[in-house]
Amino acid sequence: KNEVEQSPQNLTAQEGEFITINCSYSVGISALHWLQQHPGGGIVSLFMLSSGKKKHGRLIATINIQEKHSSLHITASHPRDSAVYICAVRFNNNNDMRFGAGTRLTVKP
Amino acid sequence: NAGVTQTPKFRVLKTGQSMTLLCAQDMNHEYMYWYRQDPGMGLRLIHYSVGEGTTAKGEVPDGYNVSRLKKQNFLLGLESAAPSQTSVYFCASSLQGVTQYFGPGTRLTVL
Repeated sequence: KNEVEQSPQNLTAQEGEFITINCSYSVGISALHWLQQHPGGGIVSLFMLSSGKKKHGRLIATINIQEKHSSLHITASHPRDSAVYICAVRFNNNNDMRFGAGTRLTVKP
Repeated sequence: NAGVTQTPKFRVLKTGQSMTLLCAQDMNHEYMYWYRQDPGMGLRLIHYSVGEGTTAKGEVPDGYNVSRLKKQNFLLGLESAAPSQTSVYFCASSLQGVTQYFGPGTRLTVL
């Protein structure tokens, strides 16, 4: 069983829709990261969370430590948001990282 | 600032050949990482370093060696390449494990 599970695997939305991507993990962590991988392959770090909620523009990330769950929300989605979104966790007491398989988002105009 | 750079961008090897991938960062970051990305499997951590002269194993270290002789460089070596090592390799760096900055990737094919 993968230690980091993302859902859905694929997501297609119409421009303007509200998007939610989920990430669940099975062990104690010190931090959770959300990454965006563009169609060209480049990877950008969006958020690092250890508790609560963070917001950057139209992107919102939340984490519930007790439930071992995080969500990434995109408000007013746009075709340029089309990318693979990846959840990653850093385990407690070390720097080892584990990644989810990613959620491929396609936003249609 | 160039950020994180990787050399080379593409490489084709024959089984048994050796090669070294170079990752360089100019942000004075302490932490550096090597990942591989395979279709359907997501990113997997190979090795990482939390400072000059230190390295540690990640999830999939077998068949790879690393060195961090200088703070700005993190080298990934394949001593005897195998087809199973065909992948896209990403390097990343961070300031004490916070936001990671990724390089553009190296596409390696082992025939």
